[in-house]
Amino acid sequence: DTAVSQTPKYLVTQMGNDKSIKCEQNLGHDTMYWYKQDSKKFLKIMFSYNNKELIINETVPNRFSPKSPDKAHLNLHINSLELGDSAVYFCASAQGVTEAFFGQGTRLTVV
Amino acid sequence: AQSVTQLDSHVSVSEGTPVLLRCNYSSSYSPSLFWYVQHPNKGLQLLLKYTSAATLVKGINGFEAEFKKSETSFHLTKPSAHMSDAAEYFCVVSLSGGSNYKLTFGKGTLLTVNP
Repeated sequence: DTAVSQTPKYLVTQMGNDKSIKCEQNLGHDTMYWYKQDSKKFLKIMFSYNNKELIINETVPNRFSPKSPDKAHLNLHINSLELGDSAVYFCASAQGVTEAFFGQGTRLTVV
Repeated sequence: AQSVTQLDSHVSVSEGTPVLLRCNYSSSYSPSLFWYVQHPNKGLQLLLKYTSAATLVKGINGFEAEFKKSETSFHLTKPSAHMSDAAEYFCVVSLSGGSNYKLTFGKGTLLTVNP
């Protein structure tokens, strides 16, 4: 039973399109995250939600909009996709300061 | 502010020899520290964590790390490398306490294991 699941696993799309990535966790955690991993494997936090409230927004372009309908879900919508958005996006969840559990990632390729 | 520096971007060892992956951290508060592993085209898996209990932490697959406050280090070691250990390893720091915590990742160390 997958703890943190993301869909889709792969996403190939053209510049200018709008796309969404979905994330669900069944661990009962209060906090969820989106991280971006670039081509050099560097992981950088994008957003953090705690009980459906945005608590961290790390200077991400406005084209990226997270949505948390409930504390088990955190979706990421991206408008007007650009070539530079190509990356692997990881969803994660955590409870307090314990370790975060990561999804398998969504590899986004913008062509 | 918090940050983490992984001192080697690439470490290459022979199978059966010891592994040392180095990590230094900076944190204004008492940190929690983690090592994660990422195998090719896979997600991130927790290897071990330090959260202000014992300074020598044992993790999965024979890995361990020692928290040294005086040196602000949290190096990852394994006595004998296995081919399956080849992966990217990330040292991670987070603030201890409060609900607005975030994980700050190092830039990663690629471990290559030669037969």
